[in-house]
Amino acid sequence: DAGVTQSPTHLIKTRGQQVTLRCSPKSGHDTVSWYQQALGQGPQFIFQYYEEEERQRGNFPDRFSGHQFPNYSSELNVNALLLGDSALYLCASSSNLESNANYGYTFGSGTRLTVV
Amino acid sequence: AQSVTQPDIHITVSEGASLELRCNYSYGATPYLFWYVQSPGQGLQLLLKYFSGDTLVQGIKGFEAEFKRSQSSFNLRKPSVHWSDAAEYFCAVGGTGNQFYFGTGTSLTVIP
Repeated sequence: DAGVTQSPTHLIKTRGQQVTLRCSPKSGHDTVSWYQQALGQGPQFIFQYYEEEERQRGNFPDRFSGHQFPNYSSELNVNALLLGDSALYLCASSSNLESNANYGYTFGSGTRLTVV
Repeated sequence: AQSVTQPDIHITVSEGASLELRCNYSYGATPYLFWYVQSPGQGLQLLLKYFSGDTLVQGIKGFEAEFKRSQSSFNLRKPSVHWSDAAEYFCAVGGTGNQFYFGTGTSLTVIP
């Protein structure tokens, strides 16, 4: 049973460019959350998608946007990249059928984005 | 607002020695608390979680954590550390909705 799959694993972009990161959730999961983990920091919540809509959003500018597809996979898009966007981007999936208390999240290994 | 503080940025222990990683949280209600471990180049793996009930929680890999409401703490412990435990450890609190609030992490080095 595959867990959460993220692609690509590493990416180098130039300041001002746009980037798309992809996530396939664990089998049976229908909810996808994205986190940004800067070097030496803990992960910070970007947003969560369920039923192809953004359900909750953290404190990130609207340069960060996302999408969820009918097969539950998700994309994270970042426009007008800044040097400060360099980070590990983690995707986590869960099942909406589980109560909030379960927090049955499974994290992927992440995409390392470097902005130069 | 929810927040998590991990006061120790880096800890070094000898293999076989005991370990305690500190975590303090700020949350207005009964918190949902978690410890995750992250090995280099890897994602986050859940070690254990606390929702309610017994304040001593057992997790995977021989780890345990104790919830102390009076101290707003959720410290992670292991009686005997193995070299493979070297990693980054994150404490997290579950907030409103479905997001986690993570601490800044504690890096663990294990020396032979």
